[in-house]
Amino acid sequence: GGIITQTPKFLIGQEGQKLTLKCQQNFNHDTMYWYRQDSGKGLRLIYYSITENDLQKGDLSEGYDASREKKSSFSLTVTSAQKNEMAVFLCASRTASAETLYFGSGTRLTVL
Amino acid sequence: GDSVTQTEGLVTVTEGLPVKLNCTYQTTYLTIAFFWYVQYLNEAPQVLLKSSTDNKRTEHQGFHATLHKSSSSFHLQKSSAQLSDSALYYCALSDWTGGYKVVFGSGTRLLVSP
Repeated sequence: GGIITQTPKFLIGQEGQKLTLKCQQNFNHDTMYWYRQDSGKGLRLIYYSITENDLQKGDLSEGYDASREKKSSFSLTVTSAQKNEMAVFLCASRTASAETLYFGSGTRLTVL
Repeated sequence: GDSVTQTEGLVTVTEGLPVKLNCTYQTTYLTIAFFWYVQYLNEAPQVLLKSSTDNKRTEHQGFHATLHKSSSSFHLQKSSAQLSDSALYYCALSDWTGGYKVVFGSGTRLLVSP
């Protein structure tokens, strides 16, 4: 078994601030994902990474940057936090050949 | 692009009665896998069911779903809902032959009452 650890669990920032969310997995999975969860809107893909140093934009990438410097970690940066960005951000991973996604417990972002 | 539609935002059912959560999809890919993920309160989403075989029933934890490519559907059903089934359910599809995107529906909250 393995685990996906997201830090911090709760993140409070000011409008316009640059904020970074971190994700670590010990599954040894190749592919990692960042999703944003908003009530009634489901899980929307922000960025994903097929392997170390690879980055692919999802449908919601504007306003975000991502970094995959190691296979086990994938970070997401909110470049300029906005009040309408308050949501839960979920990190997930899977192997390249299998289909099931494994999720972390999420980071809840609040923008003041 | 691919899309998944879950028409009900909230489904309420009395304990012991059957429940059905709807899921339809549109996709440009021929070979794909389908999932139901469940998210209990304050927990991470986890896979409940998955299927890639047309017209084959898949079962887990009392839930079942059958992929019907002819109608582009993958509805989730249970014959007798339990209080512990109350959760948020997501239908999703994955292109596992070449790309890596996993597309989710908007989610259906299931509330089982006594």
